[in-house]
Amino acid sequence: GAGVSQSPSNKVTEKGKDVELRCDPISGHTALYWYRQSLGQGLEFLIYFQGNSAPDKSGLPSDRFSAERTGGSVSTLTIQRTQQEDSAVYLCASSWGRPGSPLHFGNGTRLTVT
Amino acid sequence: GESVGLHLPTLSVQEGDNSIINCAYSNSASDYFIWYKQESGKGPQFIIDIRSNMDKRQGQRVTVLLNKTVKHLSLQIAATQPGDSAVYFCAENSGSNYKLTFGKGTLLTVNP
Repeated sequence: GAGVSQSPSNKVTEKGKDVELRCDPISGHTALYWYRQSLGQGLEFLIYFQGNSAPDKSGLPSDRFSAERTGGSVSTLTIQRTQQEDSAVYLCASSWGRPGSPLHFGNGTRLTVT
Repeated sequence: GESVGLHLPTLSVQEGDNSIINCAYSNSASDYFIWYKQESGKGPQFIIDIRSNMDKRQGQRVTVLLNKTVKHLSLQIAATQPGDSAVYFCAENSGSNYKLTFGKGTLLTVNP
């Protein structure tokens, strides 16, 4: 079956511009997660959705970062006024939303801010 | 606080040998652990998981061992193949926390 799909796969933007990253989770998965991975590093949690609500936004690094999820499916992560330190791979994952459910990841969006 | 770490950042093995990747965790409330494999340019791929009420679980060519006494987790790969070359991450989750906390990863290189 189809896995988690992310778009675009690569994005180059100029400092100060806004970007939107999209995630299509596995059909039926109620939970959706955004993580960030800097070069050679582990995964940093950003935000978690259960359905359309986001009970945990604690990982968002600043108020320039926001995310929404509509219809309990597709999610977009928006970064406003991008900075060079925002350059990273942004990974989306989905799961059945129960403790102990493995997360299934997409291939990420590589964001480069010049 | 919570943390998940790896003992070895890199591991190089010969094709056909067995590989062991280690991971330490500090949160005694963690009750679910997962190993992921990440190849270059791809997202982490689920390999195997284990709950804290078990100390061993086997999959195809992989075995995860959990030692709760010393808060240690290991991934064993039998007859390692060149296709196993990747970065391996352990991750943990506590029963009241839906998030996974990841370690920094171990780079496994398999030499032909």
